Amino acid sequence: KAGVTQTPRYLIKTRGQQVTLSCSPISGHRSVSWYQQTPGQGLQFLFEYFSETQRNKGNFPGRFSGRQFSNSRSEMNVSTLELGDSALYLCASTPGGHEQYFGPGTRLTVT
Amino acid sequence: AQSVAQPEDQVNVAEGNPLTVKCTYSVSGNPYLFWYVQYPNRGLQFLLKYITGDNLVKGSYGFEAEFNKSQTSFHLKKPSALVSDSALYFCAVNNNNDMRFGAGTRLTVKP
Repeated sequence: KAGVTQTPRYLIKTRGQQVTLSCSPISGHRSVSWYQQTPGQGLQFLFEYFSETQRNKGNFPGRFSGRQFSNSRSEMNVSTLELGDSALYLCASTPGGHEQYFGPGTRLTVT
Repeated sequence: AQSVAQPEDQVNVAEGNPLTVKCTYSVSGNPYLFWYVQYPNRGLQFLLKYITGDNLVKGSYGFEAEFNKSQTSFHLKKPSALVSDSALYFCAVNNNNDMRFGAGTRLTVKP
């Protein structure tokens, strides 16, 4: 099976812009989670979607949002970008609540 | 609330020596525990998990972990370290689809 794919892999944006990141889970996986990884804060949970519904949400401002489509693909959106949003954004899928399979991540740089 | 602690930011070992990367957790109920490894510019890779059963769990690349309920620990071990094991290691706990990661431990194996 193909692994989790994330697009784009690298992105440079300017403060105040918005960005949309995409994640395609492993075929058959219905749960998709998003994480933000930074050197200072480590790996922080953003949100989890299951069957197009947000099932869990981390402690991030409302500028961070996501959605999941009927084919389980997921997108996350960050509006009004800030310098502190520069990070590696990781997507992970799971078949049913146990181990997660991660994509390679999208490296977002905000200038 | 559940949490995971990795008390060591950095672990250095010589190639061929045994290695231990420590993890303690705090969770209500029975925990699902995981270890992941991250190589530079890559997503996380699943190593092993504890759900129930035998306290010694064997995983990928010769790694194993020991679940100790009384000490609420789940330390990662390998009998003989390789230089290629050098990476960032994350312990994680999953409780009711809420996945939390430790801050990570950077393992360096020197030749």
